[in-house]
Amino acid sequence: AQSVTQLGSHVSVSEGALVLLRCNYSSSVPPYLFWYVQYPNQGLQLLLKYTTGATLVKGINGFEAEFKKSETSFHLTKPSAHMSDAAEYFCAVSDPFGGSYIPTFGRGTSLIVHP
Amino acid sequence: GAVVSQHPSRVICKSGTSVKIECRSLDFQATTMFWYRQFPKQSLMLMATSNEGSKATYEQGVEKDKFLINHASLTLSTLTVTSAHPEDSSFYICSAQKQGYEQYFGPGTRLTVT
Repeated sequence: AQSVTQLGSHVSVSEGALVLLRCNYSSSVPPYLFWYVQYPNQGLQLLLKYTTGATLVKGINGFEAEFKKSETSFHLTKPSAHMSDAAEYFCAVSDPFGGSYIPTFGRGTSLIVHP
Repeated sequence: GAVVSQHPSRVICKSGTSVKIECRSLDFQATTMFWYRQFPKQSLMLMATSNEGSKATYEQGVEKDKFLINHASLTLSTLTVTSAHPEDSSFYICSAQKQGYEQYFGPGTRLTVT
C-alpha cells in the first residue's frame, strides 16, 4: 500500500523567498507522484506530476519538483514566493503498476506568504 | 482542456432532508469518477469510485445507503446525501478520470446541514 507524508502542516515564507514543501512517499513499485494546489473553498488544481522519464518536473506558476528514488521524496520548490501562492498544497501518490490509478493524498501543507 | 463542474457550489439543507450534488465532465468523457470528502484543514478522503453504468465502489466505512451515487452517463455522476444530519456537513469534491491516470477535480460543493 502506498502512503504520503508531508512534513509540516504549515510553512511560512516571506514574499520573494524560496518555497520548499516536503513530501515523502512509500510505495512498493515505481509510483506516479503529484502535487496539487487548493485555494479556499475550491477544488484541487494539478501543479505538476511525475510518471516516468526526467526526474525534475516543471509545473505551472513557476513550481517544480524532483523525484528522488533513493530518498523516496518528491519535494516541491519555487525560487521566489508570491503572495498569490498562499494556499493549501497536497502531495499525492498513485500505484499504476500495482493496478491503481487512484491517488493517495498527504495531509496537506498550508503555505503562508508574508509581505 | 479538461474541465469538471459541480453543482451546486454551496447548499444549506435542514436535518432529515436529502440533497443531490452533480458532477459533470464538460469537455471529455469520463468512464470513472470519484467522490471525496474533505473536513476543514484536512486532506481528501475518498468516499467512492463511480463507474458509468455500474454500481459504485465504496470505501470502507462509507455508508452506501446514505451516500447514493449514480453514474448515468459518461459525463455525469451524482451524489445524493440522504437524510442529512449536521455531521454530514462538509466539503464534497468530485474528480473525473481521463485516459488512464489523469484526474481532474471539480470546484467542490460546501454542504451545511442545519
